[in-house]
Amino acid sequence: ELKVEQNPLFLSMQEGKNYTIYCNYSTTSDRLYWYRQDPGKSLESLFVLLSNGAVKQEGRLMASLDTKARLSTLHITAAVHDLSATYFCAVDKGKLTFGTGTRLTIIP
Amino acid sequence: EPEVTQTPSHQVTQMGQEVILRCVPISNHLYFYWYRQILGQKVEFLVSFYNNEISEKSEIFDDQFSVERPDGSNFTLKIRSTKLEDSAMYFCASSEETRPFFGPGTRLTVL
Repeated sequence: ELKVEQNPLFLSMQEGKNYTIYCNYSTTSDRLYWYRQDPGKSLESLFVLLSNGAVKQEGRLMASLDTKARLSTLHITAAVHDLSATYFCAVDKGKLTFGTGTRLTIIP
Repeated sequence: EPEVTQTPSHQVTQMGQEVILRCVPISNHLYFYWYRQILGQKVEFLVSFYNNEISEKSEIFDDQFSVERPDGSNFTLKIRSTKLEDSAMYFCASSEETRPFFGPGTRLTVL
């Protein structure tokens, strides 16, 4: 059974700082997505990573995928308050298996 | 930009009642899904649907659940006899092949 783990589960960081969220998964896959969820809202697609070594960047967020290590990272650069949300990784093997989510709070 | 839509946004029902949650996927998408998220927890897969049949379902998707694509646009999830533990946010999603796009969700409350 595929297991997807994220850490940390909760992250409070100050504006302007950098941090990385980690997503580990237990079985081989070369398709992984990152989603953002605001409280009470739906899942907004952030990144699609489809191969080993894939790196995507959008604004202050950068995602990467290492299929050999079964690891994806979401790096936040110079955080701003608007990035406060819960971030999920999801591994695609025909259906999505989501990670536990990382609740990110950016403190002014 | 095309988006997945869902109705209703909120549904309150009594235990044992039947509910139907409705979704309109993005028009050129071929794969359809239902996921649910119990409050404060992660998102869980329920069922996937392709070519007018279920392609995969989870353990959660038991005999009380069914899905249907009654016409060319709608995709529905029916829960025949709701239980308290069915209270959750239900998300419909659709995709061409990869990268599912999610609808806004239906919050189901079973009393």
